[in-house]
Amino acid sequence: EDKVVQSPLSLVVHEGDTVTLNCSYEVTNFRSLLWYKQEKKAPTFLFMLTSSGIEKKSGRLSSILDKKELFSILNITATQTGDSAIYLCAVRHGSSNTGKLIFGQGTTLQVKP
Amino acid sequence: NAGVTQTPKFQVLKTGQSMTLQCAQDMNHEYMSWYRQDPGMGLRLIHYSVGAGITDQGEVPNGYNVSRSTTEDFPLRLLSAAPSQTSVYFCASRERLGTGGSYEQYFGPGTRLTVT
Repeated sequence: EDKVVQSPLSLVVHEGDTVTLNCSYEVTNFRSLLWYKQEKKAPTFLFMLTSSGIEKKSGRLSSILDKKELFSILNITATQTGDSAIYLCAVRHGSSNTGKLIFGQGTTLQVKP
Repeated sequence: NAGVTQTPKFQVLKTGQSMTLQCAQDMNHEYMSWYRQDPGMGLRLIHYSVGAGITDQGEVPNGYNVSRSTTEDFPLRLLSAAPSQTSVYFCASRERLGTGGSYEQYFGPGTRLTVT
């Protein structure tokens, strides 16, 4: 059965801390892995990863994929209260025409001042 | 561009009632999908469409119907609402794979549905 598992499910840190969120997957015909941030409403796109070992960065956020060990991590350095959100990992798999997404359960991050 | 729009934002139904959640996008995306989000379960795919006239089932299709008569619109119909369908529903769209784009999936704002 195809699945995406995120850990931890929830995390509480203080401003300035660095956090690492994990996403592991087991799917047939892997295409890509995506990270989203969800605050009050719809998820917003952060990164898409398709190749192992290539780090994607955006400000204080970075992510990397390991296709051999079937996982990805999302790092947030110098966290701020505005980073408080649910972080969703999703894996696109299947045929090149459909590319269905399977989502993990999400990691709820709370950053305290 | 308005992006992906969904209506209504909130809805309360009684068990057995039917209703349609509307979704529209103005980005000419071929691929559209419906998800439901429940606490601790992430987003689960209900139905998806790879283009006008083509739909397929996702992970949790039971109790829902979809149609795709135009590229822009992808309504989700609840046939006979049940309390288990209480959830937040998101519609999403993206470009067809192979177009060279980012394949980023754009989400609508969501519809919060309560079935009593």
